[in-house]
Amino acid sequence: EAQVTQNPRYLITVTGKKLTVTCSQNMNHEYMSWYRQDPGLGLRQIYYSMNVEVTDKGDVPEGYKVSRKEKRNFPLILESPSPNQTSLYFCASNGAPFNTGELFFGEGSRLTVL
Amino acid sequence: AQKITQTQPGMFVQEKEAVTLDCTYDTSDPSYGLFWYKQPSSGEMIFLIYQGSYDQQNATEGRYSLNFQKARKSANLVISASQLGDSAMYFCAMSDAGGTSYGKLTFGQGTILTVHP
Repeated sequence: EAQVTQNPRYLITVTGKKLTVTCSQNMNHEYMSWYRQDPGLGLRQIYYSMNVEVTDKGDVPEGYKVSRKEKRNFPLILESPSPNQTSLYFCASNGAPFNTGELFFGEGSRLTVL
Repeated sequence: AQKITQTQPGMFVQEKEAVTLDCTYDTSDPSYGLFWYKQPSSGEMIFLIYQGSYDQQNATEGRYSLNFQKARKSANLVISASQLGDSAMYFCAMSDAGGTSYGKLTFGQGTILTVHP
């Protein structure tokens, strides 16, 4: 089954404690990205990657890091989480640029930073 | 820069009736794509429908249709014969199909739809 898998689905942590949200896709997609969803703001792109070892900032990259060492994996790293990073996070992939641009989303990771 | 606006924070509809969710967009790109996603209370994002900027016909997928009015820059979602399971958050989004924002979708704020029995 084609899917994007992210873990953990739910996490409560404290300010400053480094955490990583993993993301893996099995569709051989080149393009992967991370979004955060906040009430009234919709989804905003954090980082994206066009291929292995190629990453770039999205609209709200501050406080986040990413890496793309393998095509299927795109982890999101919060080096020193702060309460304003409490949000619902989505990993997504697609086969851009040779398709409509439809994103395939993971199930979401709800993060609370105390 | 692309922008998507959904002006209806919440909408209510009676079961079996049709409902229209509004979406307007702004872009200077001649080539783009428009999407609608559904997010039920469980949180996952479900793709509903896609419209390309050069498509002549309005897109349809089962009970979903996209009312595309290019001159007015609107891409409203019409759900016919609403069901209780349609209660969810709905997001309008657009892609820069021919530009440099490679694979990125820009999302609106979302509309919460509640279907009453």
